[in-house]
Amino acid sequence: QQQVKQSPQSLIVQKGGISIINCAYENTAFDYFPWYQQFPGKGPALLIAIRPDVSEKKEGRFTISFNKSAKQFSLHIMDSQPGDSATYFCAASPHTGNQFYFGTGTSLTVIP
Amino acid sequence: NAGVTQTPKFQVLKTGQSMTLQCAQDMNHEYMSWYRQDPGMGLRLIHYSVGAGITDQGEVPNGYNVSRSTTEDFPLRLLSAAPSQTSVYFCASQGWDTEAFFGQGTRLTVV
Repeated sequence: QQQVKQSPQSLIVQKGGISIINCAYENTAFDYFPWYQQFPGKGPALLIAIRPDVSEKKEGRFTISFNKSAKQFSLHIMDSQPGDSATYFCAASPHTGNQFYFGTGTSLTVIP
Repeated sequence: NAGVTQTPKFQVLKTGQSMTLQCAQDMNHEYMSWYRQDPGMGLRLIHYSVGAGITDQGEVPNGYNVSRSTTEDFPLRLLSAAPSQTSVYFCASQGWDTEAFFGQGTRLTVV
């Protein structure tokens, strides 16, 4: 049973557009929600992360929106660039440590 | 500072063979973990460790063993490989209050 549900599976966006990826979870013990970016042949790399005491976190063109009551969080990529083309994973972790539960991934393609 | 190093990068095994996937980190991190990545399923946690001498099972531990005799190393053992274990394996390392760092992965094929 997937503990973190992610959508869409794939996404095609024009250069300069906004990319939005959504995730939902059920386990209220989760208190750390990172997003990872993965390029082909590479390991995932942390993009941005949030804890549930804030509703939004922004780093450059990347923003996480978090809705604790709905148990949902999303990644927004503003002014999407071809270099953003990659697979994006949301994840969740309980406060006890390093056990990450990942979504199934979103393949993002940004068209020039 | 190499970060998280996984070896080998590629491996082909025959059904029933055993092997060890190596993972080493040089960041003095307490936490280490192993994930497998399969198409359409994201990364799934196999085993994890919160320190030397301490390991625990994740979501999909069957068919895999781990040990953590030192802080730096966290090998993953396949005792009798099966085709269902064909996957890309990632090792991750994390400090008490740091992000998780992933290795480059080991692509394993069991025939």
